[in-house]
Amino acid sequence: AQSVTQPDIHITVSEGASLELRCNYSYGATPYLFWYVQSPGQGLQLLLKYFSGDTLVQGIKGFEAEFKRSQSSFNLRKPSVHWSDAAEYFCAVGAGSQGNLIFGKGTKLSVKP
Amino acid sequence: NAGVTQTPKFQVLKTGQSMTLQCAQDMNHNSMYWYRQDPGMGLRLIYYSASEGTTDKGEVPNGYNVSRLNKREFSLRLESAAPSQTSVYFCASRRGQLNTGELFFGEGSRLTVL
Repeated sequence: AQSVTQPDIHITVSEGASLELRCNYSYGATPYLFWYVQSPGQGLQLLLKYFSGDTLVQGIKGFEAEFKRSQSSFNLRKPSVHWSDAAEYFCAVGAGSQGNLIFGKGTKLSVKP
Repeated sequence: NAGVTQTPKFQVLKTGQSMTLQCAQDMNHNSMYWYRQDPGMGLRLIYYSASEGTTDKGEVPNGYNVSRLNKREFSLRLESAAPSQTSVYFCASRRGQLNTGELFFGEGSRLTVL
């Protein structure tokens, strides 16, 4: 069965520092991969998605993610974190052409001034 | 520019009471979903509706029922609430049925069962 693992429950970075959030998935075929962000008290917003093609995808708010098939990973990165990036981040995998997304348990990002 | 609207935003119930969470989307999307979010558990799918007139169980359907009233509306009902159903509930919609489409989420409904 497909699954998503986000190894880091909580990460704290300093404002201006770089960020990498890890995501590993389990799925036999090429997955559809997503990163969502959730600000406190809000719903989830799509940051970026990967279906095929270029393994480095760009998203909103300066985020990017790289799909690495050999490592079953889809890590999220940002070169310079802003205080407004403090939120919870969810990786998700869509198994097959239809059906539903399987979400990871999330990584909470705190940003130090 | 409403998107996905959920009501109520907050609700407190006593064990055994019933209630319905309402969800409406104004984006003419075909697919709609109900998730629950619990600390350290991420989002888990309760039920979904791939199109008007169809509903299917997700990962955690026990204790819930749904109704796809029309293309816009998808409600979630708790017939006899239990403390284990204390959670934040999110409704989402997607244009098609394919996983290539973006999910649009409501702002959530926080339910406490005493």
